[in-house]
Amino acid sequence: GENVEQHPSTLSVQEGDSAVIKCTYSDSASNYFPWYKQELGKRPQLIIDIRSNVGEKKDQRIAVTLNKTAKHFSLHITETQPEDSAVYFCARGRKANAGGTSYGKLTFGQGTILTVHP
Amino acid sequence: DAGVIQSPRHEVTEMGQEVTLRCKPISGHNSLFWYRQTMMRGLELLIYFNNNVPIDDSGMPEDRFSAKMPNASFSTLKIQPSEPRDSAVYFCASSVLEGTQYFGPGTRLLVL
Repeated sequence: GENVEQHPSTLSVQEGDSAVIKCTYSDSASNYFPWYKQELGKRPQLIIDIRSNVGEKKDQRIAVTLNKTAKHFSLHITETQPEDSAVYFCARGRKANAGGTSYGKLTFGQGTILTVHP
Repeated sequence: DAGVIQSPRHEVTEMGQEVTLRCKPISGHNSLFWYRQTMMRGLELLIYFNNNVPIDDSGMPEDRFSAKMPNASFSTLKIQPSEPRDSAVYFCASSVLEGTQYFGPGTRLLVL
């Protein structure tokens, strides 16, 4: 199916530690994997994404890795800071049709509540 | 760029009333998505449009929900009649072709 399983549901770390969140999917046609950060009372905002032709992507303290064979992808945050505290959502998508007019629908994981303690 | 605009930001209504949520996508974006977020069910896609045409409405919960996109700069999500279980935050998002989805600020709906 199209479900995305996200783990853990909550994650508590000390400032400066690393945090890793993992998502698994089952639809082998998935080819787009964004990660969103949602602060309390705010909208989800994209922090990083990866497409299926790439195995890893980094942007400063955050990185995403993709294993298409195993159908899982992970978010890595290094040197965590209190302002990283938020809910993080993974998602998967695929081209809506062969013409690729859009990545079409995204299916989101259930979210991970990350708390970074000073 | 103003980003995705949604109105109202908050809505409190009584069961049985009609609710209309509005969205203005980012100019130039040709895909528009309506999501619902609750603690129990997380972030769910309700319906999305490409070039003003509904592509997938399989997430619309039931016939009480309807969505329209009469032009490239405006969409509505209507609930009629509303029920307490419809209480949620409703997000609109938009994107360009095969691009990142940008979310609006959301509408917090409370049905009493």
